[in-house]
Amino acid sequence: DTGVSQDPRHKITKRGQNVTFRCDPISEHNRLYWYRQTLGQGPEFLTYFQNEAQLEKSRLLSDRFSAERPKGSFSTLEIQRTEQGDSAMYLCASTGMGRAYNEQFFGPGTRLTVL
Amino acid sequence: AQSVTQPDIHITVSEGASLELRCNYSYGATPYLFWYVQSPGQGLQLLLKYFSGDTLVQGIKGFEAEFKRSQSSFNLRKPSVHWSDAAEYFCASSNTGKLIFGQGTTLQVKP
Repeated sequence: DTGVSQDPRHKITKRGQNVTFRCDPISEHNRLYWYRQTLGQGPEFLTYFQNEAQLEKSRLLSDRFSAERPKGSFSTLEIQRTEQGDSAMYLCASTGMGRAYNEQFFGPGTRLTVL
Repeated sequence: AQSVTQPDIHITVSEGASLELRCNYSYGATPYLFWYVQSPGQGLQLLLKYFSGDTLVQGIKGFEAEFKRSQSSFNLRKPSVHWSDAAEYFCASSNTGKLIFGQGTTLQVKP
């Protein structure tokens, strides 16, 4: 298994455009998390899925953000009408079993720059 | 609300010297605690975690951390730092699964 992968690694877009990121978790991991990391800060939780069900969303996740995990495998995070404040690193992590002490395995992230 | 504080934003140590990175958590019950390392262009890698039992936890790359309930702390230590340890270090806590991270400590290693 090659670990958690994310695509694209970098995305530059103009303000107002829509962007979509993809995360492929470690196979058979049933929990998938999205985090956002801005420069000089630690990652902040955005949302998570248990299989295909989205179980929690942070207040950071405005109406312009939507996440899906249609078949309980890969996940997508879409940002509509991007704003300069959306510029950040978007991290995906996966874990099995769903216990709070289980290690989360992180992907390399997608760096978004909104011009 | 659950929170994690890393008081030191930036630390510089000489290669071969000992290291301690501080972490304090705020939560009513004892949360699960983690230390992650992030190198440039790399994803976060787990160094160690504490969830119960022995309060001194051993991790990878020669790191250890000690959980002190009375001080709400989970400090990371290494007896002898190597140049390859230069990176960003994050302390995190969890009680429901989602991780709450501190703002990170950047470690610089002098030759």
